[in-house]
Amino acid sequence: GAGVSQSPSNKVTEKGKDVELRCDPISGHTALYWYRQSLGQGLEFLIYFQGNSAPDKSGLPSDRFSAERTGGSVSTLTIQRTQQEDSAVYLCASSPRGTVYGYTFGSGTRLTVV
Amino acid sequence: KQEVTQIPAALSVPEGENLVLNCSFTDSAIYNLQWFRQDPGKGLTSLLLIQSSQREQTSGRLNASLDKSSGRSTLYIAASQPGDSATYLCAATTDNFNKFYFGSGTKLNVKP
Repeated sequence: GAGVSQSPSNKVTEKGKDVELRCDPISGHTALYWYRQSLGQGLEFLIYFQGNSAPDKSGLPSDRFSAERTGGSVSTLTIQRTQQEDSAVYLCASSPRGTVYGYTFGSGTRLTVV
Repeated sequence: KQEVTQIPAALSVPEGENLVLNCSFTDSAIYNLQWFRQDPGKGLTSLLLIQSSQREQTSGRLNASLDKSSGRSTLYIAASQPGDSATYLCAATTDNFNKFYFGSGTKLNVKP
């Protein structure tokens, strides 16, 4: 596609429920990143994929968070047993081969846990 | 871990003014320093990228500088316009994975 696509754009969920957030990177971009932007913490790195592998998961805040990428394309970020502190905007980015050139962000998914 | 700080947190200026946004980082072993713009409800737009071997980059009315020894970067905006109103984020990478460490941003308001 022309840009990085994220869905849904907004998600409201009840505390304790599981949620899945989807990211469609730019076609041909082998690297994919997830970030989280929350009021108290700013914009934080979560996980990095190169192809279907995740060589850097250091930003995942707890074992309730997981992500996968299939076919070197679409990625899903899953949050289990959501908590109110998980409320944030989740941003996805992709880049060609993991370089900073062509690094492109999606518009994000706003997650609200009530 | 790289810590990135931006000051001021917010800035309001009249149209036409020149202004400087500041960014500091704790680890001078950075690979890249990038300035982004974020508009409400939208993703991040890349403005200027400075590689570690470079001192500055310019694009139109924007100029960004990098001083690794002092751990600082500045974004200079000349002749500001209302359309420049947005949040400006500074971010640094420190390895080949190119994950960004972000500052908390400067929210700029340019008044007509």
